[in-house]
Amino acid sequence: DMKVTQMPRYLIKRMGENVLLECGQDMSHETMYWYRQDPGLGLQLIYISYDVDSNSEGDIPKGYRVSRKKREHFSLILDSAKTNQTSVYFCASSTYEQYFGPGTRLTVL
Amino acid sequence: GDSVTQTEGLVTLTEGLPVMLNCTYQSTYSPFLFWYVQHLNEAPKLLLKSFTDNKRPEHQGFHATLHKSSSSFHLQKSSAQLSDSALYYCAPATSSGQKLVFGQGTILKVYL
Repeated sequence: DMKVTQMPRYLIKRMGENVLLECGQDMSHETMYWYRQDPGLGLQLIYISYDVDSNSEGDIPKGYRVSRKKREHFSLILDSAKTNQTSVYFCASSTYEQYFGPGTRLTVL
Repeated sequence: GDSVTQTEGLVTLTEGLPVMLNCTYQSTYSPFLFWYVQHLNEAPKLLLKSFTDNKRPEHQGFHATLHKSSSSFHLQKSSAQLSDSALYYCAPATSSGQKLVFGQGTILKVYL
């Protein structure tokens, strides 16, 4: 059963704290993505990873960085989180169509 | 660059009426197009994708026809159900095929 997992599902942090969002997939997909979703703005691509240590900026990379050391894992890191990074974050993986994880709801106070 | 336009932010209709959600795209080539559906508090899931041989994709009563002449891939269903209430994204693939261009999406609300 093809699956994308995300941890944690819910997270509350204070402004200035570091945040680590984890994503895993069991489909051996080379390409993985991080999106954020805000009301009225749809899905916005933060980063795309084409394979291990092969990452590219998406449309809104500022304030984020990523790490991919294993094909099945893709992490999103917020160094010194800001309140405007409060959002729902989705990870996805694909060969052709994209499979999305369940999302992480991040609140930065 | 590649872009997508879903003209309606919100579509409301009564159960049993036909559904049509508009999607037009701009691309320098003929991309594959996808429709994703996202129910409340869930992840987006693939609903339909265009074919290379002009077949009309269908799933769960929904269908979409790719019209290259008008750069459109409108989503249709003959009779809306309450369970169709969700956020719908039309997404063309970029030339590399690995990135999808998501717009704001269209919220469909179906009432009794």
